[in-house]
Amino acid sequence: GQNIDQPTEMTATEGAIVQINCTYQTSGFNGLFWYQQHAGEAPTFLSYNVLDGLEEKGRFSSFLSRSKGYSYLLLKELQMKDSASYLCAADNYGQNFVFGPGTRLSVLP
Amino acid sequence: DAGVTQSPTHLIKTRGQQVTLRCSPKSGHDTVSWYQQALGQGPQFIFQYYEEEERQRGNFPDRFSGHQFPNYSSELNVNALLLGDSALYLCASSPTQGTEYEQYFGPGTRLTVT
Repeated sequence: GQNIDQPTEMTATEGAIVQINCTYQTSGFNGLFWYQQHAGEAPTFLSYNVLDGLEEKGRFSSFLSRSKGYSYLLLKELQMKDSASYLCAADNYGQNFVFGPGTRLSVLP
Repeated sequence: DAGVTQSPTHLIKTRGQQVTLRCSPKSGHDTVSWYQQALGQGPQFIFQYYEEEERQRGNFPDRFSGHQFPNYSSELNVNALLLGDSALYLCASSPTQGTEYEQYFGPGTRLTVT
């Protein structure tokens, strides 16, 4: 079976750091994507992890542990514009993506 | 360089009707995937097209069908619409070759079934 789990909602304060967790169980796994989606818009690419470890890209970092079926997205120096849904997606060898339900992040002033 | 485009942007249909949604992939991409995203949920994979054939299919009934044209553009058809088909329909494109694994998403078509 295929299952992706992430928290439904999170709240954080402007300037803070927030970590969004994702656990996955998929029949095939090549890597893990994180997408950002603002309300009513298409998902936009944030990061892709294939190997274990931390990938840093500006204010955003993503971590993967293949043995634990676990990933997280770390957002630093939060800004109001970071209020959005964050989607975790398992790459099934490029055949298709299995998405989690999304985590709706609200950044408060 | 135009990204993924979809048409129409919004659509309202009645139960039992049929609908066709269209997608043009990003330049250089030959693989098109379709997703259904219900409000407040993550996208659900419908199917993927490559070389004008359906390569893989998610857990959707036969009422959902598609097509890919020689120029790599694609259509999603849904027959006998149900209220539960109301959702945002996303098209994503990706290249088969190379190191680019990312799927680029179009803006989506918001379908409302009344």
